[in-house]
Amino acid sequence: GDSVTQMEGPVTLSEEAFLTINCTYTATGYPSLFWYVQYPGEGLQLLLKATKADDKGSNKGFEATYRKETTSFHLEKGSVQVSDSAVYFCALSGGSYIPTFGRGTSLIVHP
Amino acid sequence: EPEVTQTPSHQVTQMGQEVILRCVPISNHLYFYWYRQILGQKVEFLVSFYNNEISEKSEIFDDQFSVERPDGSNFTLKIRSTKLEDSAMYFCASRLGQALNYGYTFGSGTRLTVV
Repeated sequence: GDSVTQMEGPVTLSEEAFLTINCTYTATGYPSLFWYVQYPGEGLQLLLKATKADDKGSNKGFEATYRKETTSFHLEKGSVQVSDSAVYFCALSGGSYIPTFGRGTSLIVHP
Repeated sequence: EPEVTQTPSHQVTQMGQEVILRCVPISNHLYFYWYRQILGQKVEFLVSFYNNEISEKSEIFDDQFSVERPDGSNFTLKIRSTKLEDSAMYFCASRLGQALNYGYTFGSGTRLTVV
């Protein structure tokens, strides 16, 4: 079945550092790919998405490119802020329309 | 911005007791979901609900679980006889439509602790 694998956390960075959170997936067909973010005490929020190969999703300075050849959708940000501290979830949605989530990666950004 | 509201935020219950987790989806949304996340593990799909019936459920969603939309606003998840392994964060979500371009809105979760 479909699955998503994310890098283990926590990822700890200093403010203004470059962020990469790796995500790879296994799916049949051509799923849509998502990154969700959960800030402390809040629900999961859609951060960005990409619906086909080579699409780049972007939002709030975060980017991720749908790479079919490597089955990856890595999340990147050029300069993180303390306010980016949160848990980030990679997810895919295929034919059943029900998203399959990864475990989440906690990001801690220090001033 | 419209929100999905979940109550309570934290529930502690004794093993074998029944619990009801409550959710108020966004008012014009038609599709409703429950997910759970056991600490340190994946967010797992439990069940989806549309037109007053279950449309899809995972193997986790056994006879111990049930969902209901008792009125026009609430969407509840009931666990009949809780087990220790039911301890998890439970997320409710809703969406307006089923096509991939319709986004999910998640609640902030209910942390269930079974002792």
